[in-house]
Amino acid sequence: NAGVTQTPKFRILKIGQSMTLQCAQDMNHNYMYWYRQDPGMGLKLIYYSVGAGITDKGEVPNGYNVSRSTTEDFPLRLELAAPSQTSVYFCASSYSQSSSYNSPLHFGNGTRLTVT
Amino acid sequence: AQSVAQPEDQVNVAEGNPLTVKCTYSVSGNPYLFWYVQYPNRGLQFLLKYITGDNLVKGSYGFEAEFNKSQTSFHLKKPSALVSDSALYFCAVRDMDSNYQLIWGAGTKLIIKP
Repeated sequence: NAGVTQTPKFRILKIGQSMTLQCAQDMNHNYMYWYRQDPGMGLKLIYYSVGAGITDKGEVPNGYNVSRSTTEDFPLRLELAAPSQTSVYFCASSYSQSSSYNSPLHFGNGTRLTVT
Repeated sequence: AQSVAQPEDQVNVAEGNPLTVKCTYSVSGNPYLFWYVQYPNRGLQFLLKYITGDNLVKGSYGFEAEFNKSQTSFHLKKPSALVSDSALYFCAVRDMDSNYQLIWGAGTKLIIKP
């Protein structure tokens, strides 16, 4: 039972570099999410997807891009890394029907990113 | 706008004593409320949810939460704390104005002392 798998676990980037955070789930969930967690700030939604080929912005999308070509994968792209993007990034998934908002989220273990 | 507040940054409880982690919310319409727990260097794990029905909701690891509509609260409780309950706890509410995405509290660090 892999659940939600995130890679890498840690990464240090220089300002202006780019990288892709990988996320894969094996639960056949239709919804997937990217959050960032900053100390004392809770979770902020970056992007989410309700199914393959469909993505939408969350609360803090600037500086990030996503794609969802398959049900299983939801990579997060940082094009020009900035110190403000230093954070812990969590990918999550859930199974949701259009009339139901009850489904809990399943989280990966996170990627700790430092931009210097 | 919908919002959720966790008024305590940290809660300290002696092992064996009851614990309460507080959460208050502000929503338009009926609230969908959730509690999650985060252990060090791990992702969040679902504990329990309130959608409708009984005001006392039971969840994982012996936790329960009491929904109080008049006080707009959803406090997390456990009758007898364990050292292993030490973790970061998050309350969340569905945002009916933003495609039903979750709005998260800032988190409460629970420390259980032996």
